[in-house]
Amino acid sequence: QVQLQESGPGLVKPSQTLSLTCTVSGGSISSGSYYWSWIRQPAGKGLEWIGRIYTSGSTNYNPSLKSRVTISVDTSKNQFSLNLSSVTAADTAVYYCARGYGSINYWGQGTLVTVSS
Amino acid sequence: DIQMTQSPSTLSASVGDRVTITCRASQSISSWLAWYQQKPGKAPKLLIYKASSLESGVPSRFSGSGSGTEFSLTISGLQPDDFATYYCQQHNSYSYSFGQGTKLEIK
Repeated sequence: QVQLQESGPGLVKPSQTLSLTCTVSGGSISSGSYYWSWIRQPAGKGLEWIGRIYTSGSTNYNPSLKSRVTISVDTSKNQFSLNLSSVTAADTAVYYCARGYGSINYWGQGTLVTVSS
Repeated sequence: DIQMTQSPSTLSASVGDRVTITCRASQSISSWLAWYQQKPGKAPKLLIYKASSLESGVPSRFSGSGSGTEFSLTISGLQPDDFATYYCQQHNSYSYSFGQGTKLEIK
């Protein structure tokens, strides 16, 4: 059973870079044909897809965030990561890492990141 | 970008009712649509993939239909555990997008 776990700072200052890591257990991140995604959800609001990385390393990003987002993978650690630069209060949200090929059938539990000075 | 519009935003219903949630895409997405259920404080759970395929372990009272730009999720015989928020998601393009959600409340 694949499990995903987000980790990273819960508080980030405005204008800084938000960095999160997703650790995958129960399977190799480099096996199979899967997309590894980041999705976020502000409190009381809906889901917003941030971007994804394929097992080959190719990436796709939400056009509205593309200029600030980088997703990378470290197969040696079975992890993938999110960097979101120049954050503002609008980036405060629960951030989920997830796996799927199109539809998403495995999700992390989510981690709250607050942007505040 | 493909925009996804769900309706209604809120739906009040009783245990045993049959309810339908609609999702409309701004352009054709073939059958590349998924439905999720989310409860407070929890990650979303996949219910339906490829518009009408039931995810393993999901009760058969959940069903999905549609193709192109119009899709629906139907729950037949609402159970107390079904009161939650539901989201559609398209994965037709290189950029995913979600509907704004439908909150299913107890009447």
